[in-house]
Amino acid sequence: DAGVIQSPRHEVTEMGQEVTLRCKPISGHDYLFWYRQTMMRGLELLIYFNNNVPIDDSGMPEDRFSAKMPNASFSTLKIQPSEPRDSAVYFCASSRTDRTEGYTFGSGTRLTVV
Amino acid sequence: AQSVAQPEDQVNVAEGNPLTVKCTYSVSGNPYLFWYVQYPNRGLQFLLKYITGDNLVKGSYGFEAEFNKSQTSFHLKKPSALVSDSALYFCAARGYNFNKFYFGSGTKLNVKP
Repeated sequence: DAGVIQSPRHEVTEMGQEVTLRCKPISGHDYLFWYRQTMMRGLELLIYFNNNVPIDDSGMPEDRFSAKMPNASFSTLKIQPSEPRDSAVYFCASSRTDRTEGYTFGSGTRLTVV
Repeated sequence: AQSVAQPEDQVNVAEGNPLTVKCTYSVSGNPYLFWYVQYPNRGLQFLLKYITGDNLVKGSYGFEAEFNKSQTSFHLKKPSALVSDSALYFCAARGYNFNKFYFGSGTKLNVKP
């Protein structure tokens, strides 16, 4: 398996523009997580899905953020409109239901909003 | 509140010396415990985990971790550090709400030649 695949690796956009981050989880994993990492706040869980259904979106910072998982092999995280404070590295991770297993993380998308 | 604590933002050690990165947890039930490593511009990579059994677990790259239930700790160790071990290390616990991890804030390990 190719692991969790995220695209793009880097994204630079202007304030006010819409940004869409993409994630392909590992086949057979039924949980998908979106995290944000910054120097100031560390790793933050934004939202997670189980079998394509959003379970907990309490970490989504505000209504400008939205996430979807239309099928088991694809998820998006959208920011509209983007702001400079959204600049961070966004990670997607997936896992199976087995509680003894950890997450597998993607390589992340480094977002810079100017 | 459930939490995982890594009390040291940074640990400095000379190459060849033993290293310890500390982790304590406050998660209900009998959580499963994990260590992840993050190299620059990379995602988090699994190092090792404690599920049950022997309190000393061995993982990738010569790392091991010691589980102590009475102290609710899960410290990461390595007998002889390498410069290539320099990275950011995260401790995590998977608790009763099994689908959610609690991550520590991370500890930056610097190994100097």
